Amino acid sequence: DAMVIQNPRYQVTQFGKPVTLSCSQTLNHNVMYWYQQKSSQAPKLLFHYYDKDFNNEADTPDNFQSRRPNTSFCFLDIRSPGLGDAAMYLCATSRDPWQGTYEQYFGPGTRLTVT
Amino acid sequence: AQKITQTQPGMFVQEKEAVTLDCTYDTSDQSYGLFWYKQPSSGEMIFLIYQGSYDEQNATEGRYSLNFQKARKSANLVISASQLGDSAMYFCAMRGGSSNTGKLIFGQGTTLQVKP
Repeated sequence: DAMVIQNPRYQVTQFGKPVTLSCSQTLNHNVMYWYQQKSSQAPKLLFHYYDKDFNNEADTPDNFQSRRPNTSFCFLDIRSPGLGDAAMYLCATSRDPWQGTYEQYFGPGTRLTVT
Repeated sequence: AQKITQTQPGMFVQEKEAVTLDCTYDTSDQSYGLFWYKQPSSGEMIFLIYQGSYDEQNATEGRYSLNFQKARKSANLVISASQLGDSAMYFCAMRGGSSNTGKLIFGQGTTLQVKP
C-alpha cells in the first residue's frame, strides 16, 4: 500500500545532542510537510517542501532544519534539542495544491523525548 | 487571518448513538476547504472527510457526514452509530484558497470517548 513512513517511531535524545527524524513516502506527492504536535495541542506546521523549494514558517526556530534529497525522502534535523522540543513530529504529504484541494496524508509520527 | 475553533474539549457518546462535533471557522477567502481528521492514541492523523466552500451538498463518507452551514461558518462532523474504535481526538482543519502551499490551519481538537 502506498503510504507515509516515519522512522523511528520513538526517539530519545539528550539535551543539546543533534537528532534527525526521517520521513519517506510512496505516494509520489510533490509536497511534504513537517508538523510539531505537543501534548493535547493542535499540530503546528514547521515548514514544507514544494518539490525542492523549501518554505519555512515565520515562527519556526532556527534550531529546526530540513532536507529533501529526493521526492520520496524528507528529514527533520534538530540541531540542539531543548526540553521544550519534546513532542510528536508528524510528516505529511499532499498532491500539488495548485491543482486542487487535496487532503494531507500523515505518517504515524515520531515521538521525541529529550532527557 | 484564518482561524478554526472547536469549543468542545471532550465529548462522551454511548455506543451505537450519533454524535456531533462542532467546528466554526473564520476566513476572508471565498474559496476554501474544510477537513476533519481523527487521531487515535497511537498518534497517526487519519483523514475522514472534506468539504469545499463551493460544494452545495454536505459531504458524506460512510458513517461520517459534515453539516456545512456556510452563512454560519460552521462545519460540524456527525458520526452516526458510534463504535468503540471511534474513541480518539478529532481535529477540524481549513485550507484557504489563497494558500498555494496547501497549508492547513487546525483547531484545538475534541476528544471523543465512546462508552460501551
